[in-house]
Amino acid sequence: EDKVVQSPLSLVVHEGDTVTLNCSYEVTNFRSLLWYKQEKKAPTFLFMLTSSGIEKKSGRLSSILDKKELSSILNITATQTGDSAIYLCATYIYNQGGKLIFGQGTELSVKP
Amino acid sequence: GAVVSQHPSWVICKSGTSVKIECRSLDFQATTMFWYRQFPKQSLMLMATSNEGSKATYEQGVEKDKFLINHASLTLSTLTVTSAHPEDSSFYICSAALSGLPGTEAFFGQGTRLTVV
Repeated sequence: EDKVVQSPLSLVVHEGDTVTLNCSYEVTNFRSLLWYKQEKKAPTFLFMLTSSGIEKKSGRLSSILDKKELSSILNITATQTGDSAIYLCATYIYNQGGKLIFGQGTELSVKP
Repeated sequence: GAVVSQHPSWVICKSGTSVKIECRSLDFQATTMFWYRQFPKQSLMLMATSNEGSKATYEQGVEKDKFLINHASLTLSTLTVTSAHPEDSSFYICSAALSGLPGTEAFFGQGTRLTVV
């Protein structure tokens, strides 16, 4: 059975801290792994990692895919209160036109 | 990026009534759309895959007679929650990927918060 597992499930840090969120996956015919940030509404896209693009960076956020370990991490440096959200990791199911399997999510709370 | 519009963003209905939620791809054609449900403090759970011009594919445990899906055009899918009950109260989100481009990012609608009283 295809599955995506995230850890930790929740995390509380203070502004300025660096955090690392983890995602592991077991899917047949892996194509890509995606990270989303969800605040009060629908998820917003952060990164997509594939075999040809295993490392992505945008500002204080960065992500790495480890195909050998079947995992990915999302790093956030110099955290701000605005980073407080649920971070979701998902993978595509091969050849099913956009069907995603999501992990449980990591709820990040950044305190002032 | 591509835009997916979902309507309404929130709805309150009485128990026993039906509610329709629309999901539109505004600037691209989507032969396939997906419907997710999210309970508080939980992740997104796929309910069904909506296929243009054919029947939807439901995930295990999702009642197809209760959650009616219609995908009549390449830009519109609808989810109707029939005979809603309080336990159907949840956040419903649709998504779509650019047709013919597997593995590209999925675009999400804004979500619909359904409250059944």
